[in-house]
Amino acid sequence: DAMVIQNPRYQVTQFGKPVTLSCSQTLNHNVMYWYQQKSSQAPKLPFHYYDKDFNNEADTPDNFQSRRPNTSFCFLDIRSPGLGDAAMYLCATATGAGNEQFFGPGTRLTVL
Amino acid sequence: GDSVTQMEGPVTLSEEAFLTINCTYTATGYPSLFWYVQYPGEGLQLLLKATKADDKGSNKGFEATYRKETTSFHLEKGSVQVSDSAVYFCALSPFSGGYNKLIFGAGTRLAVHP
Repeated sequence: DAMVIQNPRYQVTQFGKPVTLSCSQTLNHNVMYWYQQKSSQAPKLPFHYYDKDFNNEADTPDNFQSRRPNTSFCFLDIRSPGLGDAAMYLCATATGAGNEQFFGPGTRLTVL
Repeated sequence: GDSVTQMEGPVTLSEEAFLTINCTYTATGYPSLFWYVQYPGEGLQLLLKATKADDKGSNKGFEATYRKETTSFHLEKGSVQVSDSAVYFCALSPFSGGYNKLIFGAGTRLAVHP
């Protein structure tokens, strides 16, 4: 089945130690999104890719970066995680503007 | 800026009870409105959507009507089941012309018991 896959489902890192979260999709969608969801809060969008065009939200933390080496994969790099970066990270894809987003199961990041 | 406000949970109901989860929004222009559902251990799934005023989205017995005059998109179901237990997110997509950015509410947890 076509789907959005996120690995790992649970990630533990240490304060200040770089961590990478991954997302892959078999849907061949143009757009890939990363959402950050802190406990009991709404998911928020740090950035997204439209094909290879990277789009940053104005309030995205400086230590967040993303890579999209091809259509299928997208990575979220947190260069120096702080305690405030602990959250559920959701990846989503869409065919384009105005269309349904398909979500992966998320990766829960813990920062010790 | 654009925002979505949902009623706080948890909402606890008995099976076959009537469900309403309130959602209001603030947006410029003419956003599209969505309800997403998240079952335990799974990702968000689109439940229903409405793209213009007075549209009614419906799926799996759930309904919501896009009310521009009250800026609301309340979720309703006439008879809930235990399997409906999940977290429900109201969301809007601003009219940007570029991409389908979603702005979510905080989510409402629904627990249905037999």
